[in-house]
Amino acid sequence: EAQVTQNPRYLITVTGKKLTVTCSQNMNHEYMSWYRQDPGLGLRQIYYSMNVEVTDKGDVPEGYKVSRKEKRNFPLILESPSPNQTSLYFCASRTLTDTQYFGPGTRLTVL
Amino acid sequence: QKEVEQDPGPLSVPEGAIVSLNCTYSNSAFQYFMWYRQYSRKGPELLMYTYSSGNKEDGRFTAQVDKSSKYISLFIRDSQPSDSATYLCAMTSGGSNYKLTFGKGTLLTVNP
Repeated sequence: EAQVTQNPRYLITVTGKKLTVTCSQNMNHEYMSWYRQDPGLGLRQIYYSMNVEVTDKGDVPEGYKVSRKEKRNFPLILESPSPNQTSLYFCASRTLTDTQYFGPGTRLTVL
Repeated sequence: QKEVEQDPGPLSVPEGAIVSLNCTYSNSAFQYFMWYRQYSRKGPELLMYTYSSGNKEDGRFTAQVDKSSKYISLFIRDSQPSDSATYLCAMTSGGSNYKLTFGKGTLLTVNP
C-alpha cells in the first residue's frame, strides 16, 4: 500500500530536549516536505527536499532541521524544542509532477 | 494581501444540501489547483486536482477554476454526514517551483 508514515504519532516532551520525528514514504517520490498545522494559521511549510541531499527552507524553518540521506526518509529534528513548537506536524511526499500525499500527523506538545 | 484566502467557516448544512466552498488567490502564476479533505485527527487527503481554468467532476464533487477572477470553488452535491470535514484548497505554479500554497481550510458539518 502506497503511504507516508510518521513516528511517533503523539509526543509530549519538555523544553530543550532534542527530538526527532521520522517520516518515510514507499512511493519513490523525489519531493518531500514537512508542515505544521495550527488553529487559525493553516498548514505552513517548514522544510522541503527535492531529492537526496537537497533540502531548503519553507515558510517557518526557525528551530527545525531536516536531513535527506535516503530517498524514502526525511526526518524532522528539533534540537531544542520550545513551547511555541507545540503543533500538529505533517510529512508529505509527491513526484515532481503529481499530487501530494500526507502522512497521518504527529501531535507534539512541548511543556 | 494573503496569497490564498479561504473562509474558515464553520459551515453547517443539512444532509442532502448542495455545498459550495471557495478560495481566492492573488498569484496569477498559479496553474494547478487542488482540494484536500481532512477528517479530524487525520492527514489531508487529495479530493480533486485540476489544471488551469474549467470544471472537473468526480461523482458528487465538482471543482471549478476561474483564473480570470482568481477564484476556485468546490461543489458537493447531495451532501452526506460523512462529508463532514475540513476542506483545504491548495495551488501551485508548477514548473520549477513545486511548493503548494494552502488556504486555511473551511470546516464543514453535514447534519443528518
